[in-house]
Amino acid sequence: KQEVTQIPAALSVPEGENLVLNCSFTDSAIYNLQWFRQDPGKGLTSLLLIQSSQREQTSGRLNASLDKSSGRSTLYIAASQPGDSATYLCAVMEYGNKLVFGAGTILRVKS
Amino acid sequence: GAVVSQHPSRVICKSGTSVKIECRSLDFQATTMFWYRQFPKKSLMLMATSNEGSKATYEQGVEKDKFLINHASLTLSTLTVTSAHPEDSSFYICSAPRPDLSGGYTFGSGTRLTVV
Repeated sequence: KQEVTQIPAALSVPEGENLVLNCSFTDSAIYNLQWFRQDPGKGLTSLLLIQSSQREQTSGRLNASLDKSSGRSTLYIAASQPGDSATYLCAVMEYGNKLVFGAGTILRVKS
Repeated sequence: GAVVSQHPSRVICKSGTSVKIECRSLDFQATTMFWYRQFPKKSLMLMATSNEGSKATYEQGVEKDKFLINHASLTLSTLTVTSAHPEDSSFYICSAPRPDLSGGYTFGSGTRLTVV
């Protein structure tokens, strides 16, 4: 059974700092890996999607990497801003188009 | 593009009553809708997958008779929590595959259900 783990569970950083969020998964037979952002009491916003054949994706200040063989992904956020404060969720897509989510990392960027 | 509208955003109901949550795809046809439940500081847990015009597929441990899912049209899927109990209080989110991004998903804004 696929399990997705995110470390750390919570992170507090000063504004402007670069940071890395980690995601690991137990079964490397995935179709893709996705990073989402969730604001309190809200739905999910897609940030980056990495296909299984890719190694990284970039969007603005965000960069996500994927090492499928080792079951790991990282989300790098450059020059963090208070508006980046949210919960970041990692999910892998497996057979049947099902997404398996991690518990998330709660990020707080202090101004 | 690829917007899913979910209503209501918040609902409080009494024990024993039923609550219906709606998810509509506004600018695309969603033949499949996924329904998730999220506990505080926990992962989203897939409850069921609904397909337009056919019966929903429920995940192991999810009570079909308690969580009724209907997907009668290409733009509307509903989740009805029947005979609600306080332990059903949770955050429910729907999701549909994005037609503009292979393997991508779009999510509704979620429904906070509180059963008193």
